[in-house]
Parts: sequence; structure tokens; C-alpha cells
Amino acid sequence: GAVVSQHPSWVICKSGTSVKIECRSLDFQATTMFWYRQFPKQSLMLMATSNEGSKATYEQGVEKDKFLINHASLTLSTLTVTSAHPEDSSFYICSATGTSGPSYEQYFGPGTRLTVT
Amino acid sequence: LAKTTQPISMDSYEGQEVNITCSHNNIATNDYITWYQQFPSQGPRFIIQGYKTKVTNEVASLFIPADRKSSTLSLPRVSLSDTAVYYCLVGDVGGSYNTDKLIFGTGTRLQVFP
Repeated sequence: GAVVSQHPSWVICKSGTSVKIECRSLDFQATTMFWYRQFPKQSLMLMATSNEGSKATYEQGVEKDKFLINHASLTLSTLTVTSAHPEDSSFYICSATGTSGPSYEQYFGPGTRLTVT
Repeated sequence: LAKTTQPISMDSYEGQEVNITCSHNNIATNDYITWYQQFPSQGPRFIIQGYKTKVTNEVASLFIPADRKSSTLSLPRVSLSDTAVYYCLVGDVGGSYNTDKLIFGTGTRLQVFP
């Protein structure tokens, strides 16, 4: 149980275009989802926290107009990278916590590799 | 959120026990200690979590001294497949439905040799 999926697993897009990444909790309801970004050989950097039905809370230094997060249901959160540029190329990972059971365990998705050319 | 400090890297050989220590001097009363494992190009995977003393599960043990200012992840008899980055995180995530954000530190890159 407690599986989180991401789609797509990798994507290549041209500079200036927008890309949407989906994060789904497959077998549980996720009240809170987190989005991280990870550059090669570096740690995960938290970008934002999203709760179902409310606006996401962004970490300092993360542009909310560039990284649009929507958490429309208890099983789906989306991250849209708008007007992507090569420096946005990274590994994007989401995680989720459930509405029941131990809340200390975040379940992570497999990640999405974004390459902007 | 308490900051954590871990060794950047560690080397070991198959069959050995590996102990990775994490320092968290500013841990708060409500904070729990959680360890994650990450393989390249994959999301982190939960290993173990504890509040104090010792916790053991099927893959690892977690030792936490009385002052809780540090913790040690112990991996018994590592194999090549344990080569990964291990992250120690501290946060107030112990309460029911209480979700705190997790801040990842640098992690420890464990390399297991045959």
C-alpha cells in the first residue's frame, strides 16, 4: 500500500513552453502533498507544500507564478512549470501523507526528469 | 526545524555492518527522527523512524541517545544493493494528522564494495 505515482517519468520540452507533472496517491487519500526539486549530486530541495482544496505554500525563493501547483483532489496534485528554461531542468519529486495512519511517513513518488532544451 | 549534519560519504564492504551517525543538536521536544534511502533517479524510500532509545525493523536499527542530539542508523550486513544516499531528517511529524514539512540535508553517500 501507500503508493505514489508520477507522470510522466521523463519529459523533454523546448524553452518557453509549459510542462505539467502529475502526482497521484494510488491507494490512499493524501491530505498534503509536497513537491521537491533535485539537481544532480545534490539533495532534495522542498519547493512547496499543498493541501487539498487550498493554495500551495511555497518555500522562500521559489517563484509561485513559475511553478503552479494545484491540489484539486485528495489523490491528485499537479505541478506546472511555466515558460520553462534550461535552468529548470531537474528531477522533480512529489510526496504525500495520508488522512489516516501514521503521519510521519511521507510516501515519495518515483520522480520526473525534466529536460528543457 | 532542526538542522542535521551527516558525513558526506562512507565506504563499506559486503557483509559488514554500517553505522551512519547524524547530528541534530537543536532537536525540539516534538521532533521525530526519520531516515530515508534514495537510489539514483528514484524518489526517497522510508527506512525507519524513532523518537528515543532504539527502534528496529526488518531492514535497519535506529539508535537515539537520551539527549536526542544525535542518532545512528545501523545497517546490518550490507550488500551491493545498499549503495545509495541516506538522509536523516528531523521534524514534528509525530502527531496524528500533523504533517510537517521535511527538510533534507546533504545526506550520506554509502558505497558498498564487493
